[in-house]
Amino acid sequence: DAGVTQSPTHLIKTRGQHVTLRCSPISGHKSVSWYQQVLGQGPQFIFQYYEKEERGRGNFPDRFSARQFPNYSSELNVNALLLGDSALYLCASSRGGQGGRLNNQPQHFGDGTRLSIL
Amino acid sequence: RKEVEQDPGPFNVPEGATVAFNCTYSNSASQSFFWYRQDCRKEPKLLMSVYSSGNEDGRFTAQLNRASQYISLLIRDSKLSDSATYLCVVNFNTNAGKSTFGDGTTLTVKP
Repeated sequence: DAGVTQSPTHLIKTRGQHVTLRCSPISGHKSVSWYQQVLGQGPQFIFQYYEKEERGRGNFPDRFSARQFPNYSSELNVNALLLGDSALYLCASSRGGQGGRLNNQPQHFGDGTRLSIL
Repeated sequence: RKEVEQDPGPFNVPEGATVAFNCTYSNSASQSFFWYRQDCRKEPKLLMSVYSSGNEDGRFTAQLNRASQYISLLIRDSKLSDSATYLCVVNFNTNAGKSTFGDGTTLTVKP
């Protein structure tokens, strides 16, 4: 079975532009989370979606938005890009638990999208 | 203070050594815990979940100490291929969607 797939793998943008990153979860996984990772730090939580609804949001500005589609794939959008948005953006999927218990199962990560802002 | 803290290392050990990492967390209501490994410029990969009673997977042992609010990872008989950054993950509320990662501990195993 395919793992989590993300596209594109690399992206170069300039300040002020916007970007859309895409993620397809593992088949059967209904939960998708997005993370930002800069060099030397652990991944920082941005969003989690489960069954197309936002279930968690990290401490990121409103320039960051996301959505989940009926097939459980997801998009992360970032507007008005800043130099500080340069990072590895990781998508992770998990089955999601029953009864709303989302985070008692491990997440599986895609290879990430490496975003560079010039 | 960060919600999840790890000693960044680096830990430099010879092959065959035993090495242990700790990860402390601030929220006593934390409910689920995991260890991931991340190779340079790659995605994090699940190493193991951490269960209340402790658990073992081959050369790897994970433990949880709720009273002192830390989890640990023990690696026995270190291999060169164990060289990586080890990330702990703490989930504070399994009904909501947020996972908090530590910044990782770097391990280098030398011949």
